[in-house]
Amino acid sequence: DTVLTQSPALAVSPGERVTISCRASESVSTLMHWYQQKPGQQPTLLIYLASNLESGVPARFSGSGSGTDFTLTIDPVEADDTATYYCQQSWNDPTFGSGTKLEIK
Amino acid sequence: EVQLVESGGGLVQPGRSLKLSCVASGFTFSNYGMNWIRQAPGKGLEWVAYISSGSSYIYYAETVKGRFTISRDNAKNTLYLQMTSLRSEDTALYYCASQTGSGGWFAYWGQGTLVTVSS
Repeated sequence: DTVLTQSPALAVSPGERVTISCRASESVSTLMHWYQQKPGQQPTLLIYLASNLESGVPARFSGSGSGTDFTLTIDPVEADDTATYYCQQSWNDPTFGSGTKLEIK
Repeated sequence: EVQLVESGGGLVQPGRSLKLSCVASGFTFSNYGMNWIRQAPGKGLEWVAYISSGSSYIYYAETVKGRFTISRDNAKNTLYLQMTSLRSEDTALYYCASQTGSGGWFAYWGQGTLVTVSS
């Protein structure tokens, strides 16, 4: 299985720029996707194929990367962005990162 | 509006069986691959199984292979997960999620149904 590694938590202030990283144990080309999960809710798709913004998702969210290193950027961060963010690869059987919990100070 | 509504979860003893359902609406169900994804309490996400739009292709995670069976009824817009030989480690919130094309991302998710395996 392809292992995806994410930093466990981040804390930023509203208006700041935050980058959330995801590193794959092997190259997944651009088959990387990002989800947001707010407490008590199901995950929602933010970014697909590394850099494509899902319809209806604010342009404050963006994704980049290829191969093994990927980044989700939120700029500027808003209080409503408090959530856990997961990366997911589809190069082989789908796997998810362990999630990055984002706290807004 | 796309809706995925799971049901069938509950408390079940180890070794017993349970069948989950997911009813889809708001899109052409028969055109989309579907997945089951689970989340243990307080933990991350784990993909469980995939079924293609016409049921020709089916894949399972190694952790459930041989115990779980995914199926679908396109006439009823319904996805199923038959779970047998349940273990405590199968305790989780089970989501159904639609898959767009061959890219492998999960565009829409249901709200989940909770399965608790305990004696």
